[in-house]
Amino acid sequence: QVQLQESGPGLVKPSQTLSLTCTVSGDSITSGYYYWSWIRQPAGKGLEWIGRIYTSGSTNYNPSLKSRVTISVDTSKDQFSLRLTSVTAADTAVYYCARSDRDYYFDPWGQGTLVTVSS
Amino acid sequence: QSVLTQPPSVSGAPGQRVTISCTGSSSNLGAGYVVHWYQQLPGTAPRLLIYTNSNRPSGIPDRFSGSKSGTSASLAITGLQVEDEADYYCQSFDSSLSGSEVFGGGTKLTVL
Repeated sequence: QVQLQESGPGLVKPSQTLSLTCTVSGDSITSGYYYWSWIRQPAGKGLEWIGRIYTSGSTNYNPSLKSRVTISVDTSKDQFSLRLTSVTAADTAVYYCARSDRDYYFDPWGQGTLVTVSS
Repeated sequence: QSVLTQPPSVSGAPGQRVTISCTGSSSNLGAGYVVHWYQQLPGTAPRLLIYTNSNRPSGIPDRFSGSKSGTSASLAITGLQVEDEADYYCQSFDSSLSGSEVFGGGTKLTVL
């Protein structure tokens, strides 16, 4: 079965760029008709969808984050990535990657990685 | 303020039935977009519980069921068990402001 694993720095300074990678294992990222998403969750708070990418490279972003977000895919490595620019303390959260199909439900999820924005 | 509104908390005794509501608007649930539900146990990633309004993935007990009508959706849990204590989230699509996947604010289920 497919598994997802997030990786990247756990600490980012304010105003800098947050970069995370999600590695897909158990199947090719290009297998089937799937979208690949990033979702985040500040401590003690709810879930926020950041955006998604299809393996063709087409993307959709949360309008509230669109100006700062870029999601890309590297099909040769079965990976997709998140870049979030000009971060502030409000971007401190656990970041999850997840897969969705044409009905856009998220399954499975990665285990999540905590990113703290602090100087 | 979440686009989808859930009660912050619900509770029930073991064996009882509880329901969690998810209220939207004409730009999401009312527009016909489907709803999905997730369970998040403490310290873990969310897990898909119900997809496309009322479907259970393999491995999810039939104690969990979902429904949707108009601008609202509900998750029902029967035969409540201690291990059901978790946060529950609904998710749908909202067509306003260029469109976005949206989540409810989450509901904390306490099993008394």
